[in-house]
Amino acid sequence: AQKVTQAQTEISVVEKEDVTLDCVYETHDTTYYLFWYKQPPSGELVFLIRRNSFDEQNEISGRYSWNFQKSTSSFNFTITASQVVDSAVYFCALNRPGGYNKLIFGAGTRLAVHP
Amino acid sequence: DTEVTQTPKHLVMGMTNKKSLKCEQHMGHRAMYWYKQKAKKPPELMFVYSYEKLSINESVPSRFSPECPNSSLLNLHLHALQPEDSALYLCASSQDGTSGASGGELFFGEGSRLTVL
Repeated sequence: AQKVTQAQTEISVVEKEDVTLDCVYETHDTTYYLFWYKQPPSGELVFLIRRNSFDEQNEISGRYSWNFQKSTSSFNFTITASQVVDSAVYFCALNRPGGYNKLIFGAGTRLAVHP
Repeated sequence: DTEVTQTPKHLVMGMTNKKSLKCEQHMGHRAMYWYKQKAKKPPELMFVYSYEKLSINESVPSRFSPECPNSSLLNLHLHALQPEDSALYLCASSQDGTSGASGGELFFGEGSRLTVL
């Protein structure tokens, strides 16, 4: 069975703090894809990153960075020097390749960045 | 700006009404999706259309009726809904309906917030 766990329901930080959002996944597949999406108050889910299971390199994009560790089945997301505009719900998701697209979403983490 | 457009953004309807939600994308994608999202919950897949054919129906009640007139358009027809159907309905698209080459990256619209009285 496939499952994504985001244990942090809500996180509150002050602007310029660094914050890490945790994501732990379960799958029996050897090949899979992991995603992070951001959902601001407007409602749209914004794609942030896709990582396939064969690529364990960490990635940095501006203030965002992702740490993928197969040994612990984790795909954590760090925002450096957080800003008020980062306030949103963040979803981690898992997909099984080869079949129809059926993203398995975690419960989401609501991040509030205060000025 | 999102490249998946959903209308209306807000809809209030009674339990006896018939209404439709509309979704449009112009990215040349061949797969389109309907997701339902209740407050403080993750999105839940309802339907997948691939190459204009219904590929997945996640056991959705028949009061929700999807339609894909062409590869750019996706409708969700609503009839005899219940108050518990109130939710944000998200449309998404992807290159195709499988998670092969693209890994399953979905592009979402801003959603239609539905309230059933």
